[in-house]
Amino acid sequence: EAGVAQSPRYKIIEKRQSVAFWCNPISGHATLYWYQQILGQGPKLLIQFQNNGVVDDSQLPKDRFSAERLKGVDSTLKIQPAKLEDSAVYLCASSRGTSGGVQTQYFGPGTRLLVL
Amino acid sequence: SQKIEQNSEALNIQEGKTATLTCNYTNYSPAYLQWYRQDPGRGPVFLLLIRENEKEKRKERLKVTFDTTLKQSLFHITASQPADSATYLCALDISNFNKFYFGSGTKLNVKP
Repeated sequence: EAGVAQSPRYKIIEKRQSVAFWCNPISGHATLYWYQQILGQGPKLLIQFQNNGVVDDSQLPKDRFSAERLKGVDSTLKIQPAKLEDSAVYLCASSRGTSGGVQTQYFGPGTRLLVL
Repeated sequence: SQKIEQNSEALNIQEGKTATLTCNYTNYSPAYLQWYRQDPGRGPVFLLLIRENEKEKRKERLKVTFDTTLKQSLFHITASQPADSATYLCALDISNFNKFYFGSGTKLNVKP
């Protein structure tokens, strides 16, 4: 079974520029997560999708971040415009379940973003 | 405020000893708690989960305990090996809808 794929692996941009990250979850996984992990900290949930609907985006800075999961499979996370404090690793994870219950998350390798 | 705390200082132990990592939380009543391992430059990898009605869970050299009264989970690695060196993260499902909050992780160094 292929794991969670993310691209690009690394990105360097200037502040105020835009950037987009892509995630392809494990086939058949209904739930998809985007996390932000700042150096030395644990992952922070940005947004959670179930199929192509948003379950939780309470910690997503909506003035600059957006995410979509068209057709309930791949997802993109966009930052526009980027700030210095957005420098972090952006992790995508997926899990099998569709509602409640115990779920194990499978993480991709992450995209390391550096904003200069 | 809601918090999940793990020792921010690295844990250094000798090969063969038991490593014990702590995860404390406040203001949550999680249905279950998970432990993940994260190596540099990689995403976290799931290790174990324990439900609120379970006191202890084991998997090979790993053992997790969960005390909902103390709001604490302990993660043990017995007969530790240098290959166990990594950052270990605890994660709580705070919503019963698989919305996870992670601790900041504890770095474990196992010396040969």
